[in-house]
Amino acid sequence: EPEVTQTPSHQVTQMGQEVILRCVPISNHLYFYWYRQILGQKVEFLVSFYNNEISEKSEIFDDQFSVERPDGSNFTLKIRSTKLEDSAMYFCASSEGQFNGYTFGSGTRLTVV
Amino acid sequence: KNQVEQSPQSLIILEGKNCTLQCNYTVSPFSNLRWYKQDTGRGPVSLTIMTFSENTKSNGRYTATLDADTKQSSLHITASQLSDSASYICVVRAGGFKTIFGAGTRLFVKA
Repeated sequence: EPEVTQTPSHQVTQMGQEVILRCVPISNHLYFYWYRQILGQKVEFLVSFYNNEISEKSEIFDDQFSVERPDGSNFTLKIRSTKLEDSAMYFCASSEGQFNGYTFGSGTRLTVV
Repeated sequence: KNQVEQSPQSLIILEGKNCTLQCNYTVSPFSNLRWYKQDTGRGPVSLTIMTFSENTKSNGRYTATLDADTKQSSLHITASQLSDSASYICVVRAGGFKTIFGAGTRLFVKA
């Protein structure tokens, strides 16, 4: 069964550094998403991406965050000037259509120290 | 304010028993409601998707119901197995791409 692949599975970074989280969505999917889940809390929507542009973003997704689809397969989330409170599990998801089910990756656990 | 509330917060049942998890939402406009299963440290896995016009949808031992009038949904798990131990999350999609996640119900199935 097709999978959404995320790398790395765990990233440790120092406060103030920039990190790039990588995702390879399912190949025929057109919609891409990033979510985060702080330990013990709900999953939160960050951003959706379609047709090479952001289609919607949440209040969390401020200027510290950016997304990119640098080539035909990767979808990245960049977090600049990381803060301690950015520590969370970051999930990438993709869907074939706007109203189809989402397939989530296994997540990247980001730890900011 | 768009909210999704789930109950109970956690549930312990014996293997082979049935259980029902509840989801109440105040999301507008409503697009669809999804139930996901999330194992610890893993990404959510879709179980069912229901639109406004659907009342019931089944996926194997999982049956979801939706009452759009009262804004309530339930997930019924039949003949539970040890592997059903996980968090079950109700997710409501509002207009556009925004999705509102519930806090989940943590299910423990014991032998």
